Amino acid sequence: DVQLVESGGGLVQPGGSLRLSCAASGFSFSRYRMGWVRQAPGEGLEWVASIKQDGSEKYYVDSVRGRFTISRDNAKNSLYLQMNTLKNEDTAVYHCARDREYSDSSPFDCWGQGTLVRVSS
Amino acid sequence: DIVLTQTPLSSPVTLGQPASISCRSSQSLVHSDGNTYLSWLHQRPGQPPRLLIYKISNRLYGVPDRFSGSGSGTDFTLKISGVEAEDVGVYYCMQATQFPPYTFGQGTKLEIK
Repeated sequence: DVQLVESGGGLVQPGGSLRLSCAASGFSFSRYRMGWVRQAPGEGLEWVASIKQDGSEKYYVDSVRGRFTISRDNAKNSLYLQMNTLKNEDTAVYHCARDREYSDSSPFDCWGQGTLVRVSS
Repeated sequence: DIVLTQTPLSSPVTLGQPASISCRSSQSLVHSDGNTYLSWLHQRPGQPPRLLIYKISNRLYGVPDRFSGSGSGTDFTLKISGVEAEDVGVYYCMQATQFPPYTFGQGTKLEIK
């Protein structure tokens, strides 16, 4: 079974840092672009970042560019999100999601349960 | 960025009756490769989203055939032919034509009357 399991969430003060991890299994991880999507409490979905299969290209939503860094380790079937200079508005459940395999594929056919990040003093 | 607007935002439906959700895009979602990357996702309370339909009308494996997607250009519709109890939750449309960013509609809450 395809599985994505996030970890690393928690409570952090504004200005602090956190690193999220996503362990993938049940599919060929290196064949897929991977991404992070967040959902603030009671709100909708917001794409945060994606990374190409070989890590050569990374994409970010404007609100996190320069503060967040997405990375991956294909040998470990793992995806990461380094979050720095966190703001209250970054509070959300962060989902790891399987992005596209090919350029004409559709993204996000598989999602993790998510990990909660709370930014508060 | 492309803005997706869903209507209605809330939809109370009687079990067994049909339901319909609209998604309107601020720009055409036809990609230069000829595909239209408009998807529909469903999120039950306390669960992650689940992809139901991709490229307007293609159901993911295992999605019941009571779900159907249609539309073109900037106007798209998700229809449920007869709502079942397990269909409650929030439905989102999402575009992947113009990336980055991927964008989502604001969500439509489907509830049973």
